[in-house]
Amino acid sequence: GEDVEQSLFLSVREGDSSVINCTYTDSSSTYLYWYKQEPGAGLQLLTYIFSNMDMKQDQRLTVLLNKKDKHLSLRIADTQTGDSAIYFCAANYGGATNKLIFGTGTLLAVQP
Amino acid sequence: NAGVMQNPRHLVRRRGQEARLRCSPMKGHSHVYWYRQLPEEGLKFMVYLQKENIIDESGMPKERFSAEFPKEGPSILRIQQVVRGDSAAYFCASSPSRTYEQYFGPGTRLTVT
Repeated sequence: GEDVEQSLFLSVREGDSSVINCTYTDSSSTYLYWYKQEPGAGLQLLTYIFSNMDMKQDQRLTVLLNKKDKHLSLRIADTQTGDSAIYFCAANYGGATNKLIFGTGTLLAVQP
Repeated sequence: NAGVMQNPRHLVRRRGQEARLRCSPMKGHSHVYWYRQLPEEGLKFMVYLQKENIIDESGMPKERFSAEFPKEGPSILRIQQVVRGDSAAYFCASSPSRTYEQYFGPGTRLTVT
């Protein structure tokens, strides 16, 4: 089945690294995404990775993919207070539809 | 290049009224997706449209909800006879083709009183 799961909450200190985790269920070719949602706002696409890759780095963001365990993580280096938001993991399993399956979101709270 | 536009940003309707939500995709994008976010939950897919065609409506409630994306003009999500359970944030996304990047609008927050 199609399912994406995330932990609900993460609290870090400013300057530390944050690691947000996600698991998915479908083993077919998949694009996996990380979106950021600030209060009252829409979703901002941060980065994405295809399921045949292990890692992708973009400035302070590093995405790691463990295909065997179907586990995806987003690491934010040098976390800032402006990083406080809800982070959604999403999967696109392709096929006839192009729909995204979202996790429930992880609330990241950055303490000064 | 303007992003995905949605209006209104906030909409208040009484039970039984109709709600019309509009989405203008990014320039050059011909694929539109609607998602609903209930309070304290993630986004759930509703419908995927191309110009004048519904490609996948597997996430749409069977009654009262409809969507269109005409040849000219924005995509419209229409909810007839709204009920309190329809209160949610409705997000539209667009992509230039059947690619894998979807760009989201700011959402319409519907409140049913």
